[in-house]
Amino acid sequence: GNSVTQMEGPVTLSEEAFLTINCTYTATGYPSLFWYVQYPGEGLQLLLKATKADDKGSNKGFEATYRKETTSFHLEKGSVQVSDSAVYFCALVTIQGGKLIFGQGTELSVKP
Amino acid sequence: KAGVTQTPRYLIKTRGQQVTLSCSPISGHRSVSWYQQTPGQGLQFLFEYFSETQRNKGNFPGRFSGRQFSNSRSEMNVSTLELGDSALYLCASSLALDTGELFFGEGSRLTVL
Repeated sequence: GNSVTQMEGPVTLSEEAFLTINCTYTATGYPSLFWYVQYPGEGLQLLLKATKADDKGSNKGFEATYRKETTSFHLEKGSVQVSDSAVYFCALVTIQGGKLIFGQGTELSVKP
Repeated sequence: KAGVTQTPRYLIKTRGQQVTLSCSPISGHRSVSWYQQTPGQGLQFLFEYFSETQRNKGNFPGRFSGRQFSNSRSEMNVSTLELGDSALYLCASSLALDTGELFFGEGSRLTVL
């Protein structure tokens, strides 16, 4: 079946550090890939997406590239801020499956 | 434009009781999905409705049910509550099917004692 695996957290970084959160997937067909973010006490928000191989999604300084050969969609940001502290979820959807499938989430804590 | 609204935000129930949670999607969105979020299991898909029809159902027991009304508002019901049902229940709406672009509400936090 379809699944998403993320690196375990929590991840603790200092402000202005470089961020990478690893995400790999297993899917039949050609999935679309997403990163969602959940700030404390809130629901999830779509951060970025990519719908086909080699697409790069980007938003708010975050980037992720759809790598079909390595079945990965790693999230990166060059310089994190305290306000980026949140839980980040990698997810996929396929036309065949219909529903959005999430990874287990990675908690990021950024210290000043 | 108002976002996805879930009510109630917090509730406490005891084992054996039943609960109904409500979700109002973004205006114009006809698809509504429900997810259960727990620290141990993460985000698990419950069901998806589109135009009052259940399109997809997750791997949950029959105690979990849902429905969608003609105005796209949705409810989910959990009967015979168990301690393990304590979770954040998230509702999400979307404009189109199978895009993965969901707009989430803030959730209903259920505690079962």
